[in-house]
Amino acid sequence: SAVISQKPSRDICQRGTSLTIQCQVDSQVTMMFWYRQQPGQSLTLIATANQGSEATYESGFVIDKFPISRPNLTFSTLTVSNMSPEDSSIYLCSVEGGINYGYTFGSGTRLTVV
Amino acid sequence: GQQLNQSPQSMFIQEGEDVSMNCTSSSIFNTWLWYKQDPGEGPVLLIALYKAGELTSNGRLTAQFGITRKDSFLNISASIPSDVGIYFCAGQPAGTASKLTFGTGTRLQVML
Repeated sequence: SAVISQKPSRDICQRGTSLTIQCQVDSQVTMMFWYRQQPGQSLTLIATANQGSEATYESGFVIDKFPISRPNLTFSTLTVSNMSPEDSSIYLCSVEGGINYGYTFGSGTRLTVV
Repeated sequence: GQQLNQSPQSMFIQEGEDVSMNCTSSSIFNTWLWYKQDPGEGPVLLIALYKAGELTSNGRLTAQFGITRKDSFLNISASIPSDVGIYFCAGQPAGTASKLTFGTGTRLQVML
């Protein structure tokens, strides 16, 4: 299955600033997915990123707050903009691993906004 | 967004005991996946299920795709300390290709 490198692994940021999270995959994939995991909670899909087109956002998430880039088939970025303490979460990227491999996840970015 | 109902929410068990957890949904799913998440890590796939009624094992783990396509269970036999973690079910609802919906999670703690 695919191997995902995600960085940074953690960061502490001031409110009002923005953080860009990078996700690198070791193979070409059509779709990449970004999730948020709030403290003690499950994973919620933020958006699906396709190469060459705008990301598709889930209900409750908007492009101005979470702009996504997908410049090629192995890389994507998620920016958390104008951060507030409520944005403190783990952000994870994921790709389809193929049949019998489900979806593979990066190790996540633990964001704390102070 | 939709979340799957997963139970129990948490479990304290003795080492060596068997564990069972399940997920239910009000809608039909095409795929069921079971993941384990350790602290500071992303979820790691344990078992993938693709057909209604399918029963699949991975070592001490066994999972089944419910015949109604609205539920799934995961069993862990003879638990060991490294089984500690959070277990999530996840599924692809029918008609939503490539989107995963996650369960609320089961936190497993094993007492020696």
